[in-house]
Amino acid sequence: GAVVSQHPSWVICKSGTSVKIECRSLDFQATTMFWYRQFPKQSLMLMATSNEGSKATYEQGVEKDKFLINHASLTLSTLTVTSAHPEDSSFYICSARVREGLSNEQFFGPGTRLTVL
Amino acid sequence: KNEVEQSPQNLTAQEGEFITINCSYSVGISALHWLQQHPGGGIVSLFMLSSGKKKHGRLIATINIQEKHSSLHITASHPRDSAVYICAVGNEMGRDDKIIFGKGTRLHILP
Repeated sequence: GAVVSQHPSWVICKSGTSVKIECRSLDFQATTMFWYRQFPKQSLMLMATSNEGSKATYEQGVEKDKFLINHASLTLSTLTVTSAHPEDSSFYICSARVREGLSNEQFFGPGTRLTVL
Repeated sequence: KNEVEQSPQNLTAQEGEFITINCSYSVGISALHWLQQHPGGGIVSLFMLSSGKKKHGRLIATINIQEKHSSLHITASHPRDSAVYICAVGNEMGRDDKIIFGKGTRLHILP
């Protein structure tokens, strides 16, 4: 199956700094990428939907100025957590969707664990 | 009622046992995913299916579209299979196709 990678797999940062997380589709072009967040022992929650070449669509309650999403190419989307605070510590997961004909498959990245001190 | 329900929530079994995890959903779907999440958090996509049955190694996933039900089976279970297994459905909502996640089944295989 198709592969989605995330980098870094984990990051520890100081409060107030910004952290960038990359999501790449390695062997296919993704017209849409999704960013999720997961708090301990909870389900994944959709944060935003990112379409290549256009602005991301954020879910209710997600601050677009805090979680900057850039989808500059069909294989790369980035999530930047700006001025991170301890409450932003979470597991961030991306997924990538490919649309080819009737195919509408979606593939998940392994996730990035962010710890803000 | 959640749109995606998994059962059981927790499952402990002995090594070698045949494991079944169930997933029921109440929305129209484009596809159903089974994901595996290990204690460290990393997610692995196990299956994506929209009909029938798929097999990969000791893992088998089935889906019954009419009954809106899917099962994940693990044959000859092993302690390394211990993880949280998540069922997720792609919701048929025009082109948006958002994923709805179940709460997961925590599986613990004892040696």
